[in-house]
Amino acid sequence: SQQGEEDPQALSIQEGENATMNCSYKTSINNLQWYRQNSGRGLVHLILIRSNEREKHSGRLRVTLDTSKKSSSLLITASRAADTASYFCATPPMDSGYALNFGKGTSLLVTP
Amino acid sequence: DADVTQTPRNRITKTGKRIMLECSQTKGHDRMYWYRQDPGLGLRLIYYSFDVKDINKGEISDGYSVSRQAQAKFSLSLESAIPNQTALYFCATSDFRGGKGNIQYFGAGTRLSVL
Repeated sequence: SQQGEEDPQALSIQEGENATMNCSYKTSINNLQWYRQNSGRGLVHLILIRSNEREKHSGRLRVTLDTSKKSSSLLITASRAADTASYFCATPPMDSGYALNFGKGTSLLVTP
Repeated sequence: DADVTQTPRNRITKTGKRIMLECSQTKGHDRMYWYRQDPGLGLRLIYYSFDVKDINKGEISDGYSVSRQAQAKFSLSLESAIPNQTALYFCATSDFRGGKGNIQYFGAGTRLSVL
């Protein structure tokens, strides 16, 4: 069954604003990953945060992880039109052999 | 050239036909996966393979079969296609060695329509 659930399902902002997406998951994990998918294309890995980390940065991306609440957030600062895409969180449940379970995604629209 | 290549990119077929989707990779990864994506449902795992002799069912394997012909090749077959298998199919690879955390690399996808 799907592990992660992103929230909101859709988000519309203007260029320059920050975008925050949230992910909740169900079982214990070793790490949590975020991926981006441009319309109709393959997913691209953005960032991985391990279960013993609370926050991680990569360029304009900031990811937090709260294992006690089984939740994560992805913040994109100073959004650009090119950030328009769907964003998915993915978790490798510890009993799954590390095949990733993906959430349903957040669709982000950044307008000029 | 893409590291993970899927063929065909688009396919239209009829109910009852057998169809094979192919995936090849040049990344040297040991693990390969097949997912399907449906609107509003995200990605769901069909099959995964940790090496040539290790193939495992995923969440939605019914109606599908796979073959890992070599470390670099992983094919997905629909033995008798049905309309509800219309979806976008993705192949992915990962290299779990060295503590990389199973980051996955995706192909561009195959858009399959079953009429």
